[in-house]
Amino acid sequence: TQLLEQSPQFLSIQEGENLTVYCNSSSVFSSLQWYRQEPGEGPVLLVTVVTGGEVKKLKRLTFQFGDARKDSSLHITAAQTGDTGLYLCAADGGRYFQGAQKLVFGQGTRLTINP
Amino acid sequence: EAGVTQFPSHSVIEKGQTVTLRCDPISGHDNLYWYRRVMGKEIKFLLHFVKESKQDESGMPNNRFLAERTGGTYSTLKVQPAELEDSGVYFCASSQVPTDTYEQYFGPGTRLTVT
Repeated sequence: TQLLEQSPQFLSIQEGENLTVYCNSSSVFSSLQWYRQEPGEGPVLLVTVVTGGEVKKLKRLTFQFGDARKDSSLHITAAQTGDTGLYLCAADGGRYFQGAQKLVFGQGTRLTINP
Repeated sequence: EAGVTQFPSHSVIEKGQTVTLRCDPISGHDNLYWYRRVMGKEIKFLLHFVKESKQDESGMPNNRFLAERTGGTYSTLKVQPAELEDSGVYFCASSQVPTDTYEQYFGPGTRLTVT
């Protein structure tokens, strides 16, 4: 059973369009991260959200943490071809784990922005 | 500042052979983690070191996997004997003294193929 469900798994859109990627769980997390991974590289941290309802912006990317700290979204405005990549959400182990340092990952959303 | 490095980047071995993966964390990071992504699945936690001590190894699949971090610097992950299901990408990550946000920095990964 996956603790973090990402949707959609694949998304292909045209440059200039907007998109939203979702990360959902039935668990409550103390924090949640969004990573981006390029082929042949490891995940690179984009943002960490900690407070329920928190919104963070990184240029054209807007990240939101749900009020109940169970879900998050990533919204990209006016997507560019350089946004193409694998986007992963990850959260701390939550109440299912004894250790606080484990990251639990979603399967990822593979985003393709077409010119 | 150098990031997390891993060696080798790729390894192809036959079933029954032994392979050792190496990870050099960011200098000064006491926390070191190993994760693995097998084909079609999400990235999963294997274990966590704090300096040279294993804090949590609950994600290690079985006793064919041995992780060490002598001296609290670099870490090795040995698989002996390797099985077909061990194929995947092995990521190492590091972080500073634990913070509330669990931010971890990932290496590029080692792609292991067992034939």
